[in-house]
Amino acid sequence: QKEVEQNSGPLSVPEGAIASLNCTYSDRVSQSFFWYRQYSGKSPELIMSIYSNGDKEDGRFTAQLNKASQYVSLLIRDSQPSDSATYLCAGLGGGADGLTFGKGTHLIIQP
Amino acid sequence: GAVVSQHPSWVICKSGTSVKIECRSLDFQATTMFWYRQFPKQSLMLMATSNEGSKATYEQGVEKDKFLINHASLTLSTLTVTSAHPEDSSFYICSARGLAGIETQYFGPGTRLLVL
Repeated sequence: QKEVEQNSGPLSVPEGAIASLNCTYSDRVSQSFFWYRQYSGKSPELIMSIYSNGDKEDGRFTAQLNKASQYVSLLIRDSQPSDSATYLCAGLGGGADGLTFGKGTHLIIQP
Repeated sequence: GAVVSQHPSWVICKSGTSVKIECRSLDFQATTMFWYRQFPKQSLMLMATSNEGSKATYEQGVEKDKFLINHASLTLSTLTVTSAHPEDSSFYICSARGLAGIETQYFGPGTRLLVL
């Protein structure tokens, strides 16, 4: 099993709707989780981090973590065209201090 | 706060030459810096972890003699790609982490390397 898995998409969502991005992870990656947004040709920018079970909200973004199911998600409310990007899920754990990234989900917000 | 810079942003070099990339934390002291590589349409892959004043830890499959990492101060880490070849062409991105126990990493803008 890959350590962090994401559906590559593209995921197409109408403007103003809720975009739901999902990520599953293996036992090796089981501590802290991060969602990054990456525009084409740019480096990732941090959206949210989540460390414990449950929901964490920040503005239009809500991260959800379910450690029993090894599942982490990101909800984007009131989606805007500027939210169109690749969303990377990353986990921290195992022997390395670095992040293990999923392949990313390409999100398209349709005006 | 938490700004990380990289220099250069773009580099084109001939095969066989060496290229040095700098990563700086501008407004915080980075006890740990990380180097990632991203090939087109792929995700970021961790290459190595460096702690200030000590040798870097390389991920499996990354040649330590080819990718030299120096983390001589709390604000600067360098990656030198030695004897670069076309297959080393990639997007190299560093990240920095500050205080121990704070796990958030802040990414630099990346360096795009093209080896001809």
